[in-house]
Amino acid sequence: EAGVVQSPRYKIIEKKQPVAFWCNPISGHNTLYWYLQNLGQGPELLIRYENEEAVDDSQLPKDRFSAERLKGVDSTLKIQPAELGDSAVYLCASSLGGTGLTDTQYFGPGTRLTVL
Amino acid sequence: DAKTTQPTSMDCAEGRAANLPCNHSTISGNEYVYWYRQIHSQGPQYIIHGLKNNETNEMASLIITEDRKSSTLILPHATLRDTAVYYCIVRSAGGTSYGKLTFGQGTILTVHP
Repeated sequence: EAGVVQSPRYKIIEKKQPVAFWCNPISGHNTLYWYLQNLGQGPELLIRYENEEAVDDSQLPKDRFSAERLKGVDSTLKIQPAELGDSAVYLCASSLGGTGLTDTQYFGPGTRLTVL
Repeated sequence: DAKTTQPTSMDCAEGRAANLPCNHSTISGNEYVYWYRQIHSQGPQYIIHGLKNNETNEMASLIITEDRKSSTLILPHATLRDTAVYYCIVRSAGGTSYGKLTFGQGTILTVHP
């Protein structure tokens, strides 16, 4: 079974340019997460989707970040315009979802963004 | 969200058991303990999770104390490929933070020959 797929794996852009990351979750997983990981730190949640609905986007900087999951499957995270401080690894994770107390998240390999 | 406390780093000899401790004294009754690890340049990898009983799978064992305030992840026969950052996480159980994983700094485990 394929895991969470992310592309691109690496991206280098100049500041003020836009950038987009794509994620395809594990088949059948209704919940999708985007995380940000700065160097030397643990991942931090940016946004969580239940199907098409963003149910927790409280940590997403909405002035420059946006995300969508139009058909409840794959998702795109966008930054416009990018700033130097956005250099980090952007991780996508997915889980089956539902209201059970245990719902394991599985992570993709991440996209490493470098803003020059 | 319940916080966890882990040692910053640990060493282990190859072939020996690696025992990684975690304190989570503010854990609530319905919150699960999850362990992930992250090898350099990869995404976090799920290892194991538990509520109050000890758990074992093909990767590791999880021992949770009776009061649930601490746990230990055991890698029974560590190999060089187990060198990674290990995260102990208490998974949020309610409200808008339902299911949220809050990662701390983790423990850097180095397995040496």
